[in-house]
Amino acid sequence: DQQVKQNSPSLSVQEGRISILNCDYTNSMFDYFLWYKKYPAEGPTFLISISSIKDKNEDGRFTVFLNKSAKHLSLHIVPSQPGDSAVYFCAASDLTSGTYKYIFGTGTRLKVLA
Amino acid sequence: GAGVSQSPSNKVTEKGKDVELRCDPISGHTALYWYRQSLGQGLEFLIYFQGNSAPDKSGLPSDRFSAERTGGSVSTLTIQRTQQEDSAVYLCASSYDYSNQPQHFGDGTRLSIL
Repeated sequence: DQQVKQNSPSLSVQEGRISILNCDYTNSMFDYFLWYKKYPAEGPTFLISISSIKDKNEDGRFTVFLNKSAKHLSLHIVPSQPGDSAVYFCAASDLTSGTYKYIFGTGTRLKVLA
Repeated sequence: GAGVSQSPSNKVTEKGKDVELRCDPISGHTALYWYRQSLGQGLEFLIYFQGNSAPDKSGLPSDRFSAERTGGSVSTLTIQRTQQEDSAVYLCASSYDYSNQPQHFGDGTRLSIL
């Protein structure tokens, strides 16, 4: 049972345009969400996070939106750059459960075309 | 270095052999996680250590898998009697504490079972 789903395995975007990566979750207890970026042969690196008490968090070119009623979050990258080409994972956690483990999606491979 | 260090970076072994994977977390990080990423899959949680508490082993796929963390620092993941389906990238992550701190990942060990 996939609790965190990234239904688009890949996405191609022209340089300078907006990249929108989507993530859906099924567990309504999830209250903390993160996005990670992963280059080949490297471990994932933390990008941005959002708590369920917010619906938006922005950090430079990266903005994460959370729609709790739809159990959906998205990562917007504006403007997209070729260096953003990587696999993006969303992850979710129920911090109130005390288990402190994150459930990851299967990732979306973003390719930014120059 | 200051990051999470994993060794070996690559391991090729024959089916039925035991393997041991090592993780050196960031100094001062009390939480340590093991994940694995099989081809085309997301990050699958395996086990989580937090300080001196009993580890959360709920993600270990079988009793052939075990992990320990000595002195609250270095961790080893052991797979006994390896099977071909164990082939994956095994990722270790650490975080400062168990709450809403992002995890810092190592570059992983790519395990190939022949």
